[in-house]
Amino acid sequence: GENVEQHPSTLSVQEGDSAVIKCTYSDSASNYFPWYKQELGKGPQLIIDIRSNVGEKKDQRIAVTLNKTAKHFSLHITETQPEDSAVYFCAALRDDKIIFGKGTRLHILP
Amino acid sequence: KAGVTQTPRYLIKTRGQQVTLSCSPISGHRSVSWYQQTPGQGLQFLFEYFSETQRNKGNFPGRFSGRQFSNSRSEMNVSTLELGDSALYLCASSAPQGYGNTIYFGEGSWLTVV
Repeated sequence: GENVEQHPSTLSVQEGDSAVIKCTYSDSASNYFPWYKQELGKGPQLIIDIRSNVGEKKDQRIAVTLNKTAKHFSLHITETQPEDSAVYFCAALRDDKIIFGKGTRLHILP
Repeated sequence: KAGVTQTPRYLIKTRGQQVTLSCSPISGHRSVSWYQQTPGQGLQFLFEYFSETQRNKGNFPGRFSGRQFSNSRSEMNVSTLELGDSALYLCASSAPQGYGNTIYFGEGSWLTVV
């Protein structure tokens, strides 16, 4: 079955620097890759997603890249701010089945 | 458009009791899935319902059950509660296949078993 590996599990970056979180998936038929941000005490919120027919997508300070050949996708956050501190989850979806990564706890240091 | 609504937000139960959690999906969404989230365990898939039928099921014991009503609202039930069932239970809804499958989460129900 599908497996999604997410790295790193914890990431600390200086405010203003960039953060990169990477995920790999095993099922080459997966065709949709969302990223979620979960703040303390809240449910995960969709922040950006990408489909398998696209290599890169950007939304202000957030971007996601997809390498279908290597079966990995990454979340890039530029000019990080204190409010970016949260847990981030990647996911891979095929048909109606979605598999989540274990999450990355991002700390933005002042 | 209202988001996914879960009730109750917080509850405390005693070992051996049972609990029912409720979820109202986004209007028009017919797929509802449930997840258990504990510290360090990420999102553990419980089950998914579509048009009142369970379509997928995770690896949880039979004490965990769910159902979906004709209006797409869903409930999950945990019987004979154990201390290890303490967790955040998340409900998510999505539109039918072909509409992007984007999954939206509710704020969750925090269950503490004492």
